[in-house]
Amino acid sequence: EPEVTQTPSHQVTQMGQEVILRCVPISNHLYFYWYRQILGQKVEFLVSFYNNEISEKSEIFDDQFSVERPDGSNFTLKIRSTKLEDSAMYFCASSGSVYNSPLHFGNGTRLTVT
Amino acid sequence: DAKTTQPNSMESNEEEPVHLPCNHSTISGTDYIHWYRQLPSQGPEYVIHGLTSNVNNRMASLAIAEDRKSSTLILHRATLRDAAVYYCSHTGTASKLTFGTGTRLQVTL
Repeated sequence: EPEVTQTPSHQVTQMGQEVILRCVPISNHLYFYWYRQILGQKVEFLVSFYNNEISEKSEIFDDQFSVERPDGSNFTLKIRSTKLEDSAMYFCASSGSVYNSPLHFGNGTRLTVT
Repeated sequence: DAKTTQPNSMESNEEEPVHLPCNHSTISGTDYIHWYRQLPSQGPEYVIHGLTSNVNNRMASLAIAEDRKSSTLILHRATLRDAAVYYCSHTGTASKLTFGTGTRLQVTL
């Protein structure tokens, strides 16, 4: 069964550094998402992306965050200047269509900001 | 965001049925009800979704109340591999599926 893959599985970075988290969605999917989960807390929506533009974003997704689909297969989340509070699991997801399509999640990238 | 209410935790014996309840206080007429689960150290995993009628798939069954203000996820025979946090939600579009705190299901021998 096709799956969403995320790299790296664990990223350690220093405060103020830029990080790029990478995701390869399921190949025929059209909608892409990023979520995050701070340790011990709930899974939070960050952003959705379709047709090369952001469809919706949460208040967490401020100017420090950006997303891109640089080629036909990758979907990336960039954090320009990381803060300690950005430490979390970041999950990428994709779906075939918006309405009622299940989201398929990757197993996440654990970001640790020191 | 979808506002749902679930018990914090539930326990079940292996091979017994489990009924996980959810209240959907802010559901609107066109929202679908979704259930996901999160196994330890993994991303959320789709379980089932439905609109008005009860739904069955290979993983579970979904019972939806007539007024749609509540739903119940039914695992017919719980196994140790079903131990996870189960999340219910409702949304008109999957562009903003949101998760609450979920129900942590423990399955014991």
